[in-house]
Amino acid sequence: QKEVEQDPGPLSVPEGAIVSLNCTYSNSAFQYFMWYRQYSRKGPELLMYTYSSGNKEDGRFTAQVDKSSKYISLFIRDSQPSDSATYLCAVPSNDYKLSFGAGTTVTVRA
Amino acid sequence: EPEVTQTPSHQVTQMGQEVILRCVPISNHLYFYWYRQILGQKVEFLVSFYNNEISEKSEIFDDQFSVERPDGSNFTLKIRSTKLEDSAMYFCASRADTGNTEAFFGQGTRLTVV
Repeated sequence: QKEVEQDPGPLSVPEGAIVSLNCTYSNSAFQYFMWYRQYSRKGPELLMYTYSSGNKEDGRFTAQVDKSSKYISLFIRDSQPSDSATYLCAVPSNDYKLSFGAGTTVTVRA
Repeated sequence: EPEVTQTPSHQVTQMGQEVILRCVPISNHLYFYWYRQILGQKVEFLVSFYNNEISEKSEIFDDQFSVERPDGSNFTLKIRSTKLEDSAMYFCASRADTGNTEAFFGQGTRLTVV
């Protein structure tokens, strides 16, 4: 069973729309949940992370974790063309080895 | 802003040749990683390195691969006898310390084996 599952999309939305991205994970022992953003031909960069269950908000971005269903979400409000990228969920295990989801490619149309 | 730098950005090599991918992690970081991303696939963990030794490696990281921190600043990934299926983006990452969850990634080296 894969540690992290993510719908690869792609997802295309008009500027200003809310983008909703989701992942599921298999190991209930995971405590940290991360979202990375990857622009074309660049390395992943950490967007935000949450610890345990609950919500975390950072500007237009909100990350949610529901440990009961092993479900993690990222919402982007008022999406901008500059948000067009691939979004990767990730969970760290031993030694902060990251297991990534497949990544969802998002295009925000101007 | 400190960043992880990787060289070269693109490496083309013939099948069977050895390649060395180079990384300069952020200077005060202690944990180092290599990941790879085959085109169209997910980013996969290869190896983690701490205190001058491998702390964990994936099943991908077989005897063909080795890592080294030769001089206290560089962190290298050597791939011996490259195969076509080694073609991928290779990302180096570093992390500050035990309490810090954020791993910073380099821009990657695109390895093409022909």
